[in-house]
Amino acid sequence: GAVVSQHPSRVICKSGTSVKIECRSLDFQATTMFWYRQFPKKSLMLMATSNEGSKATYEQGVEKDKFLINHASLTLSTLTVTSAHPEDSSFYICSANIAGGPETQYFGPGTRLTVL
Amino acid sequence: QKEVEQDPGPLSVPEGAIVSLNCTYSNSAFQYFMWYRQYSRKGPELLMYTYSSGNKEDGRFTAQVDKSSKYISLFIRDSQPSDSATYLCAMSLNSGYSTLTFGKGTMLLVSP
Repeated sequence: GAVVSQHPSRVICKSGTSVKIECRSLDFQATTMFWYRQFPKKSLMLMATSNEGSKATYEQGVEKDKFLINHASLTLSTLTVTSAHPEDSSFYICSANIAGGPETQYFGPGTRLTVL
Repeated sequence: QKEVEQDPGPLSVPEGAIVSLNCTYSNSAFQYFMWYRQYSRKGPELLMYTYSSGNKEDGRFTAQVDKSSKYISLFIRDSQPSDSATYLCAMSLNSGYSTLTFGKGTMLLVSP
């Protein structure tokens, strides 16, 4: 149980284009989903928290106009990296809480974004 | 002082050894404590989840929380090469969907 999927697992795009990453909770409903960024050999950096049906809450220093988050349903959240640049290349990971479940997070497998 | 301190390692042990991984923290308000295992280029996998002080055992894994010392540990018995990964400690403040504060992770290498 508590499986979170992400799509795509890997994406390569040209500078200036936009990329959408999907995060789905497969066997549970997730009222809250989280988006993280991870650099090589570094820990997870929380980017934003999204609640179904409401605007995402962004961490300090994260550009909300660049990293668009939509949490349209209890099982789906999307992160769109707009006008991507090489410095946006990173490993993006989502996680989700089980609605009504324990206070922990279940993580997706991550998406490797490379911007050329 | 960082909120959560964790030695990055790498920690190298032979197969079958008992492994001890630790984190210290500064915020006494943390109540929920987790250990995640992350393989290279994969998302973190929840291993253990504990609330407040005490011990919790699951198979070869034992998690300990000492809130008075602000110190948490993960013990791995009979370590296997497949345990080679980065182990992240994480903690949160209170019930509800609060954010997690992570340690930087300890890389563990178990040699056959």
